[in-house]
Amino acid sequence: QKEVEQNSGPLSVPEGAIASLNCTYSDRGSQSFFWYRQYSGKSPELIMSIYSNGDKEDGRFTAQLNKASQYVSLLIRDSQPSDSATYLCAALRDNQGGKLIFGQGTELSVKP
Amino acid sequence: GAVVSQHPSWVICKSGTSVKIECRSLDFQATTMFWYRQFPKQSLMLMATSNEGSKATYEQGVEKDKFLINHASLTLSTLTVTSAHPEDSSFYICSARRRGAYNEQFFGPGTRLTVL
Repeated sequence: QKEVEQNSGPLSVPEGAIASLNCTYSDRGSQSFFWYRQYSGKSPELIMSIYSNGDKEDGRFTAQLNKASQYVSLLIRDSQPSDSATYLCAALRDNQGGKLIFGQGTELSVKP
Repeated sequence: GAVVSQHPSWVICKSGTSVKIECRSLDFQATTMFWYRQFPKQSLMLMATSNEGSKATYEQGVEKDKFLINHASLTLSTLTVTSAHPEDSSFYICSARRRGAYNEQFFGPGTRLTVL
């Protein structure tokens, strides 16, 4: 089992819809989680970080964390074609010098 | 703030040569820098962690004699791919973390290495 798992997709949604991206993790010791967006040929850029159970909203993005279920999600409301990218979920390994462990990424395609 | 640069942004070299990639934190002091490698359609894989003034810690399976990492100052880390071969062709990305900001890593723009 991979430490951080995501569906590779591709996930296709129409413009204006809600895109839902999911991630599970295996290390219960992880306390901090991150969502990155990566366009083709570019470096990842941080979209959201979440450390506590519940929801965290930032503009059109909402991150959700459920530590009991070891589950992290990212919702993108009013999806735009410019949101088309690969979304990477990452967990921070606090007990190993703060290494980030990435999932394999979910490719999102928003159709006009 | 919190800008990380990499140089070069892309490089093409012949098999057997060595290539050096620089990672700089432009507006903060990076006590820790991380080096990642990403193959096409795959996720980022951590290669090594470097702390300023000390030896890098390599992930399992990464050859430390092939991928030389130097973190000589609080704003610069270098990755040297020695005797590069075509299978080393990849996208190399660094990230930097500043003192006291344990949860934050700032990523550089990446370096595309192609070995012929």
